Amino acid sequence: SAVISQKPSRDICQRGTSLTIQCQVDSQVTMMFWYRQQPGQSLTLIATANQGSEATYESGFVIDKFPISRPNLTFSTLTVSNMSPEDSSIYLCSVEGTGETSYEQYFGPGTRLTVT
Amino acid sequence: AQSVAQPEDQVNVAEGNPLTVKCTYSVSGNPYLFWYVQYPNRGLQFLLKYITGDNLVKGSYGFEAEFNKSQTSFHLKKPSALVSDSALYFCAVRDMSSSNTGKLIFGQGTTLQVKP
Repeated sequence: SAVISQKPSRDICQRGTSLTIQCQVDSQVTMMFWYRQQPGQSLTLIATANQGSEATYESGFVIDKFPISRPNLTFSTLTVSNMSPEDSSIYLCSVEGTGETSYEQYFGPGTRLTVT
Repeated sequence: AQSVAQPEDQVNVAEGNPLTVKCTYSVSGNPYLFWYVQYPNRGLQFLLKYITGDNLVKGSYGFEAEFNKSQTSFHLKKPSALVSDSALYFCAVRDMSSSNTGKLIFGQGTTLQVKP
């Protein structure tokens, strides 16, 4: 399975500021996703990061708030803009396998964001 | 709408005893089902999947899950629990609607506590 790293692993930010989270994969992947895990809750898909085109956002998530870049098949960034305490969450990127690992998603270690 | 339910917030078992973590689903069409585990301060790890074929699927760390179409369930099982199995477990279903390629819908999670 792919090895996924995220930076930063955690951060404490002031409201009104923005944070960019990086996701790096050790192999080329087609499908890359960004999820949010709010405290004590399950995971919710924010968007699918598409290489060479705009990300596909889920209902309730918009590009102005969560701009995403996907410059190549191994890297993506998620920015959390104009943060409020409600944005305090763990943000995870994931990639989907191919072949024998089709449909399996592998997750990065997550970025724990606290907004004060 | 597709959904996944994990009816138990927490499951407690004694080490060496069998364990079951319950999951039921609601989907249109054939379900693609998954189990993930989240250890404290770590990302999600893939355990197993059901796509097609045998109703009993085997996964990592000695876990298995049984797909039951008539009961729309996909319970996670292990014959003999270990203390190290203590973690948060998520059941998930892949959203197969055409506009949501790759999206996983997660249950709310079940905390497994294995006591020595």
